[in-house]
Amino acid sequence: GNSVTQMEGPVTLSEEAFLTINCTYTATGYPSLFWYVQYPGEGLQLLLKATKADDKGSNKGFEATYRKETTSFHLEKGSVQVSDSAVYFCALSDRGYQKVTFGTGTKLQVIP
Amino acid sequence: DVKVTQSSRYLVKRTGEKVFLECVQDMDHENMFWYRQDPGLGLRLIYFSYDVKMKEKGDIPEGYSVSREKKERFSLILESASTNQTSMYLCASSLSGQGNTEAFFGQGTRLTVV
Repeated sequence: GNSVTQMEGPVTLSEEAFLTINCTYTATGYPSLFWYVQYPGEGLQLLLKATKADDKGSNKGFEATYRKETTSFHLEKGSVQVSDSAVYFCALSDRGYQKVTFGTGTKLQVIP
Repeated sequence: DVKVTQSSRYLVKRTGEKVFLECVQDMDHENMFWYRQDPGLGLRLIYFSYDVKMKEKGDIPEGYSVSREKKERFSLILESASTNQTSMYLCASSLSGQGNTEAFFGQGTRLTVV
C-alpha cells in the first residue's frame, strides 16, 4: 500500500534559519504530493502541492519539488519566522482512488 | 469562504456510550473523510465516502461506522465508545478528480472517553 515517511520532530530553529523537512513516499503509479500545515488549535490546511514529476510547489516562501527518481518531496524555506511554528504533514493522493495518505507530521518550533 | 464544520470542538463521553460526530461541508464536494490524529501516529483514515450513501473503509475502521445520507453531511459513529478511542477526530472533504485536489479540513473534535 501507499505510505509516507517524514523526519521525526520536533525541529527547533532560530528565526531566519534555513528549513528542510524530509519526506519520502512509497506508492504505485503516479501520485500527487502535498504538504499540509496545522497551526495550534486548528485543522490542517494545504500549504503546497505538486502533481507530476519535477513539478515544484511553492507558497508563503516554502517550496518542495516532486522527485520521482528518489521518491521524495522535501519541504524547504530559506528563512523561517516565528509565525511558521506549526506541525507540517507530507501527504500523497492516489490518482484514481482519491484517498490521501499522511505522514506522521513534523513539529517545527521557531524561536526569536 | 469554503468551510468544513464539525459539530463539536470538545466532547467527553462515558465508556459504552454511542457517540455521533457530525461534519458538514458547504462546497458541494463529492468526497468526505474521517481521520483520527494521535501523537506520533499522524493522521489515520477511518472511513471515506465518495458519494451519497457510499462508503469505504480506511485503515482503522474497527469500532466505527459512518453515515452519508446527504451530500453535505458525513457522520462518524462510535457504536460503543472505549477509552482507546480518545483522540482528535478530523473531518475533510474534497472534489472528485484525478487525486490532485486539495482536501479541506474542519477544526477537529477532541473526544475524551472516560
